[in-house]
Amino acid sequence: KAGVTQTPRYLIKTRGQQVTLSCSPISGHRSVSWYQQTPGQGLQFLFEYFSETQRNKGNFPGRFSGRQFSNSRSEMNVSTLELGDSALYLCASAPGPEETQYFGPGTRLLVL
Amino acid sequence: QQQVKQSPQSLIVQKGGISIINCAYENTAFDYFPWYQQFPGKGPALLIAIRPDVSEKKEGRFTISFNKSAKQFSLHIMDSQPGDSATYFCAASKETGNQFYFGTGTSLTVIP
Repeated sequence: KAGVTQTPRYLIKTRGQQVTLSCSPISGHRSVSWYQQTPGQGLQFLFEYFSETQRNKGNFPGRFSGRQFSNSRSEMNVSTLELGDSALYLCASAPGPEETQYFGPGTRLLVL
Repeated sequence: QQQVKQSPQSLIVQKGGISIINCAYENTAFDYFPWYQQFPGKGPALLIAIRPDVSEKKEGRFTISFNKSAKQFSLHIMDSQPGDSATYFCAASKETGNQFYFGTGTSLTVIP
């Protein structure tokens, strides 16, 4: 089975712009979670989707949003980018809620 | 507030030695404790996981020790190899959701 894929792998944006990241889960997986990874804060949970519904949301501002499509693919959007949004954004998929998560390679976002 | 505290931040071990990474948590609602291994440029990969109904789980050279009363768990890597050099994250999740809380990571270097 192919693993979790994330596109793009690298992205450079400037402050104030918005960005959309994409995640394709492992075939058959219906749960997708997003995490932000930074050297200072480690891995922080953004949100989780299952069957197109957001089940959990982390403690991030409303500039961070996401959605899941009927084929379980997910996108996350960050509007009005700030320098502090520079991070590795990881997507993880699981067969369902409360099951083992498998991570993608991440999208590295740099905000200038 | 960091829900899962991990130590040490970095660890250097000789080849063949034992690497020990510790984690502590406060929330007694946590009931699943995975360890992830992350190599540079890759997403975290599940290494081994434990639930609170057992005190130890072993898979090959990797062992999780779990102390429910102390709310602590640790990863032991026996016969450490240079290929084990990576960043290790402990995590915890609750029964009711797929939101994982990660430790801040331990950078392990195994020197030949």
